[in-house]
Amino acid sequence: NAGVMQNPRHLVRRRGQEARLRCSPMKGHSHVYWYRQLPEEGLKFMVYLQKENIIDESGMPKERFSAEFPKEGPSILRIQQVVRGDSAAYFCASSPDQGALGNTIYFGEGSWLTVV
Amino acid sequence: KNEVEQSPQNLTAQEGEFITINCSYSVGISALHWLQQHPGGGIVSLFMLSSGKKKHGRLIATINIQEKHSSLHITASHPRDSAVYICAVRGSARQLTFGSGTQLTVLP
Repeated sequence: NAGVMQNPRHLVRRRGQEARLRCSPMKGHSHVYWYRQLPEEGLKFMVYLQKENIIDESGMPKERFSAEFPKEGPSILRIQQVVRGDSAAYFCASSPDQGALGNTIYFGEGSWLTVV
Repeated sequence: KNEVEQSPQNLTAQEGEFITINCSYSVGISALHWLQQHPGGGIVSLFMLSSGKKKHGRLIATINIQEKHSSLHITASHPRDSAVYICAVRGSARQLTFGSGTQLTVLP
């Protein structure tokens, strides 16, 4: 049973380009979370999705960022017109349930975005 | 004031020492997680707690809901325990709120 799979692990983009980060949750998990870790800072929540639905996007920047979790395929975090301040590690996590007690959360290895 | 406060921020110990990392939070929670992050690496969930105490190998996690406090203990610490340990809480919303992490270095 593979864990949470993120790709690419490392991505370099020039300012103004688009970055697409992918996350395949663990098998059987229908809840996906994206978190961002800026250099020298802690993790911050970005967005919580279920299949075909955005449940909570209160942590997403208002512009240039979007996320989806289609019926088929991985969840995608998309950053348009990247700027240097977007350079960070982006972590995906999944859980099998909205959060029933006893269900822990599983993290991917992260995608490190560098904007040059 | 952050919702989740960890202490200490940095901790250096000699191999074999008993280590304690503390986490205090200011909101009502449904669960608290202790996470481990190695340099340049992913994040591993060590424990999820809603009450009491859990033990896994040399790691012990406790939580006091009334006092809004949790501790992570490492017995007989080893250099491979060197990592950042992160406390995260889950409230009524389903996302996690994280502490700033404790950088642990265990010297041989």
